[in-house]
Amino acid sequence: DAMVIQNPRYQVTQFGKPVTLSCSQTLNHNVMYWYQQKSSQAPKLLFHYYDKDFNNEADTPDNFQSRRPNTSFCFLDIRSPGLGDAAMYLCATSRSPGMGANEQFFGPGTRLTVL
Amino acid sequence: QKEVEQNSGPLSVPEGAIASLNCTYSDRGSQSFFWYRQYSGKSPELIMSIYSNGDKEDGRFTAQLNKASQYVSLLIRDSQPSDSATYLCAVNNNNDMRFGAGTRLTVKP
Repeated sequence: DAMVIQNPRYQVTQFGKPVTLSCSQTLNHNVMYWYQQKSSQAPKLLFHYYDKDFNNEADTPDNFQSRRPNTSFCFLDIRSPGLGDAAMYLCATSRSPGMGANEQFFGPGTRLTVL
Repeated sequence: QKEVEQNSGPLSVPEGAIASLNCTYSDRGSQSFFWYRQYSGKSPELIMSIYSNGDKEDGRFTAQLNKASQYVSLLIRDSQPSDSATYLCAVNNNNDMRFGAGTRLTVKP
């Protein structure tokens, strides 16, 4: 089945220790997104790639970086995690923007704990 | 600030009843509208999308859109305990997707 996969599902890191979360997709979608979601809050968009074009949200901290080496994979790097970065990180994909074509499909998420 | 507002709930309905979930949005340029279901500790799952004014039905789910009033709703008929989850409203304008914080629905047996 076509799907969005995230690894690991649970990640524990220490304060200030860099961490990388990964996302892969078999949907062949052009757009990949990274969201941060804290308890009882809306998912917050960090950035997205439209093919190789990177689009950063204005309020995304510099501590968060992303890489998309090919269509299938996208990575979220947190350079120096703080306690406030503990959250669920969601990867989503969609086809190219356009009416009826921008439904987003989510992976299972990575729960990040910062000690 | 582009906002999507939902009543956080919890909304509690008895099994078999109709659950009605509401959402308002501020961006008049929004073009597409979605409802996601999110179980506790899980990721959002797309259950409905709607693009034009009126009603769209899919099984027990009906989405309603009124662009003039900037209002989207989701009706769940014959609610089941398995429908207990948080329902996120999402609004998209040219690939800028904004989510509401969700309404928590509890269906009591």
